[in-house]
Amino acid sequence: DTAVSQTPKYLVTQMGNDKSIKCEQNLGHDTMYWYKQDSKKFLKIMFSYNNKELIINETVPNRFSPKSPDKAHLNLHINSLELGDSAVYFCASSQRQGFETQYFGPGTRLLVL
Amino acid sequence: QKEVEQNSGPLSVPEGAIASLNCTYSDRGSQSFFWYRQYSGKSPELIMSIYSNGDKEDGRFTAQLNKASQYVSLLIRDSQPSDSATYLCAVDNFGNEKLTFGTGTRLTIIP
Repeated sequence: DTAVSQTPKYLVTQMGNDKSIKCEQNLGHDTMYWYKQDSKKFLKIMFSYNNKELIINETVPNRFSPKSPDKAHLNLHINSLELGDSAVYFCASSQRQGFETQYFGPGTRLLVL
Repeated sequence: QKEVEQNSGPLSVPEGAIASLNCTYSDRGSQSFFWYRQYSGKSPELIMSIYSNGDKEDGRFTAQLNKASQYVSLLIRDSQPSDSATYLCAVDNFGNEKLTFGTGTRLTIIP
């Protein structure tokens, strides 16, 4: 069974569209994260949630809106997609905040045309 | 100034040799240090975590931490072709509640 799963795995869309990426973890963890990995492989945190509460909100355009309906799910909605949004988006989870091992999902490869 | 720095490589090491990967960080308050391995097209997976100065060994992998010099390293003994991947150093910081990743070092083990 996949511990952290994401859908879709690939997403190709036009500029200006709105899209969502879903993430689920079955590890019973309290904390979930969204990361963006650009073409140079730099992995940067975007958001984290702890028990459905937003904890970290890095300098991310407000076109990106995370939603956590429960602590096992963290979705990412992106409005008005731009070319620069093309990247791999990883969801991750950890037992709790702080000094904890993070487990990553398989990634969603987003290409904006 | 980057918070976590790694040599991007590529680093080429003959099979069976020791691969040495280095990472420096800028925040003296950092408490927790992690090495993740990422194969091409895959997600990062944790190899080692280290929290106190000194060495920590796990199989062929040894993590070394020196907080005074603000560096953490990963040694891979008896390198195998399957070790070829990008290795990401990640640093947590007390009170910051986030991991900051380095840009990764691409390691190639030459058979």
